[in-house]
Amino acid sequence: EDQVTQSPEALRLQEGESSSLNCSYTVSGLRGLFWYRQDPGKGPEFLFTLYSAGEEKEKERLKATLTKKESFLHITAPKPEDSATYLCAVQAGRDDKIIFGKGTRLHILP
Amino acid sequence: KAGVTQTPRYLIKTRGQQVTLSCSPISGHRSVSWYQQTPGQGLQFLFEYFSETQRNKGNFPGRFSGRQFSNSRSEMNVSTLELGDSALYLCASSRSLTGGDYEQYFGPGTRLTVT
Repeated sequence: EDQVTQSPEALRLQEGESSSLNCSYTVSGLRGLFWYRQDPGKGPEFLFTLYSAGEEKEKERLKATLTKKESFLHITAPKPEDSATYLCAVQAGRDDKIIFGKGTRLHILP
Repeated sequence: KAGVTQTPRYLIKTRGQQVTLSCSPISGHRSVSWYQQTPGQGLQFLFEYFSETQRNKGNFPGRFSGRQFSNSRSEMNVSTLELGDSALYLCASSRSLTGGDYEQYFGPGTRLTVT
């Protein structure tokens, strides 16, 4: 069965303390992996799309990487405004199904 | 450029009733997907429409249905509401389904409460 697992479920960091969020997947025929940020009471906001192993993308303090089994979202010197839930999703299979992970709740303390 | 809009934003219904939710995608986007989000299950895919045709369907009962109009606007309907249908319903649009244009942009959601 196709699966997307994110870890940790929750993470508390001090401002400036870099870390990584993990998204591991078990799917057949990966077509793309997506990262989103979701603030409370809002819809997810698109961050990155990764298509092949070895690919990396950066945006401000965020950097996403992809291997054949997992993706990492690296957060460098985070600020309190980076606090949010980060969601990972994969598009896979002949029917281009989209599967979301349950997210990592990130809290950055000032 | 206007984002994805969803109406209504909040809705309270009684068990057994039916509900229709509406989604207007970003101009030029032809693909519209619907998701249900709950604290326990996270984001779960309901269905996807492209050019008025349902392309994909998630594992939800037949009480959940949808359609897409020629202007790409979409509606989803839930009949015979159950308490467990209480959730945030999110709509997302994208230019197409593959080929690098599958970045999905989400609306703010409709918060449905079933009592």
